[in-house]
Amino acid sequence: EAGVVQSPRYKIIEKKQPVAFWCNPISGHNTLYWYLQNLGQGPELLIRYENEEAVDDSQLPKDRFSAERLKGVDSTLKIQPAELGDSAVYLCASSLGTQETQYFGPGTRLLVL
Amino acid sequence: DQQVKQNSPSLSVQEGRISILNCDYTNSMFDYFLWYKKYPAEGPTFLISISSIKDKNEDGRFTVFLNKSAKHLSLHIVPSQPGDSAVYFCAASAKSGTYKYIFGTGTRLKVLA
Repeated sequence: EAGVVQSPRYKIIEKKQPVAFWCNPISGHNTLYWYLQNLGQGPELLIRYENEEAVDDSQLPKDRFSAERLKGVDSTLKIQPAELGDSAVYLCASSLGTQETQYFGPGTRLLVL
Repeated sequence: DQQVKQNSPSLSVQEGRISILNCDYTNSMFDYFLWYKKYPAEGPTFLISISSIKDKNEDGRFTVFLNKSAKHLSLHIVPSQPGDSAVYFCAASAKSGTYKYIFGTGTRLKVLA
């Protein structure tokens, strides 16, 4: 069974540019999560989707970050404009349901110059 | 305020010996705990979990112990193998609440051959 797929794996951009990350969850997983992981820290939740509905986006900086999961399957996380402090690893995870174990993708490592 | 703490950033253990990784939490509402393992350039991989109704859960070489009164959990790996060298994250959630995983900062385990 394929795991959580993320692309791109690495992205280097200049500050003020836009960037987008894509995630395809494990087949059948209704719940999808985007996490941010800074160097030396654990993952921190940005947003959680139940199917196509964002049920917890309290940690998403809405002035520059946006996310969508239009058909309740794959999802896109966007930053516009990117700032130097956005350099981090962006992880996507999915689970069968909210109370089920979360499985992570390999992440997208973003470097903002 | 760090609700989940892993106070040892790193640990070195000889192959074949026991590795003990520790985790402390502050929120008494947490009732579900997990350990994830992370290799470089990969996403966290689920290892083992424990519900607060238990004080021990075993899976092969991995055992997680939960001490609710001390708000402490530990992961025991025995015997340790070089392939166990990775960063280990402890996570906690309140299943009766938002189900949000709160991660610790990780402990880097190095198993010496």
